[in-house]
Amino acid sequence: KAGVTQTPRYLIKTRGQQVTLSCSPISGHRSVSWYQQTPGQGLQFLFEYFSETQRNKGNFPGRFSGRQFSNSRSEMNVSTLELGDSALYLCASSSGLDETQYFGPGTRLLVL
Amino acid sequence: GDSVTQMEGPVTLSEEACLTINCTYTATGYPSLFWYVQYPGEGLQLLLKATKADDKGSNKGFEATYRKETTSFHLEKGSVQVSDSAVYFCALTPNPSNFGNEKLTFGTGTRLTIIP
Repeated sequence: KAGVTQTPRYLIKTRGQQVTLSCSPISGHRSVSWYQQTPGQGLQFLFEYFSETQRNKGNFPGRFSGRQFSNSRSEMNVSTLELGDSALYLCASSSGLDETQYFGPGTRLLVL
Repeated sequence: GDSVTQMEGPVTLSEEACLTINCTYTATGYPSLFWYVQYPGEGLQLLLKATKADDKGSNKGFEATYRKETTSFHLEKGSVQVSDSAVYFCALTPNPSNFGNEKLTFGTGTRLTIIP
């Protein structure tokens, strides 16, 4: 079974731009979560979607948003990029039958 | 709120040495506990997990036992290899009976380097 895939793997943007990241979960998994990883703040939870509904949200500004499609694929969007948004963005999926989350390789975003 | 406290790194060991990375947690109820590993330039890989008190998770020679009385989940390996060099994260999710709240709370990570 294929793992979690994320596109693109690397991205360079400038301040003020917006960006959309994509995540395809493991086949059959209905829950998708997003995390931000930075050297200073570590791994922080952004939000979680299940069956196209946001179930949980972390403590991030409204510039960070997401959605999930009927095929469970998910996108996250960051508007009005700031230098501090430079990070590795990780997507994880789980079946919903247990709490184990499986991670993708991440998208590394650099904001200049 | 929930939190995970992890042994500060970096940790440098010689090949075949014994490894222990300490992890303690604060959470209500009975969280599920995890160890994830991150190799350079990659995402997180699930190493092992335990979902109830006294459960032992194991994988690739690594072990960790869920200790409710000490709220700990220390990672151990009897003989490390160079290929074990990576960053290790301890994490928890809330009581699994609270279906729908699968947010992972992570420790700060411990960088492990194994010298040949």
